[in-house]
Amino acid sequence: QLVLTQSPSASASLGASVKLTCTLSSGHSSYAIAWHQQQPEKGPRYLMKLNSDGSHNKGDGIPDRFSGSSSGAERYLTISSLQSEDEADYYCQTWGTGIWVFGGGTKLTVL
Amino acid sequence: EVQLVQSGAEVKKPGESLKISCKGSGYNFISYWIGWVRQMPGKGLEWMGIIYPGDSDTRYSPSFQGQVTISADKSIRTAYLQWSSLKASDTAMYYCARGTDEFDLWGQGTLVTVSS
Repeated sequence: QLVLTQSPSASASLGASVKLTCTLSSGHSSYAIAWHQQQPEKGPRYLMKLNSDGSHNKGDGIPDRFSGSSSGAERYLTISSLQSEDEADYYCQTWGTGIWVFGGGTKLTVL
Repeated sequence: EVQLVQSGAEVKKPGESLKISCKGSGYNFISYWIGWVRQMPGKGLEWMGIIYPGDSDTRYSPSFQGQVTISADKSIRTAYLQWSSLKASDTAMYYCARGTDEFDLWGQGTLVTVSS
């Protein structure tokens, strides 16, 4: 079964970096994912598509502070030079044959 | 401008029917799937289903199969999500999103409130 697992919460200080993790279920470690950001009281925004080899394609206007990487079944979103507007929920998303799946989301708090 | 524009907020009573819409512009509408995503209050994103406007090929999440109907009218570049009999538990924000694999463009959302 295709499942994405995310930690419910994360925190980091203003100006620091943070690395969020999304884990693919067993047997799906080659799958690409996408990262989305949802700021408070707003709709989701596409950040990037992240492949199993760590290559990624960002959406229009996404700052260089956002980057992605991969290791095995884990997919990472790294945000550097944290700003207050980065405080948001972050969701990973993947897809298979006739199915699309979201992770449970990680709530990022910027201290 | 490439965008998806959704219809406005709705307030309905249990048992009523509803159809909300998502209009695409600025891109070749029939070449991308349009998905629907539910977000219940305070909760995460849930994939409901998806349609390919080019030929109306539709897939549903098992969790939503039989509960909603997804359709599209390619002549007016619009996708729809409809309910035949709403329940209070359908109260949520509903988003449409464009994508063949990853969802790379989102609508602004439609808030549906079902209350007696």
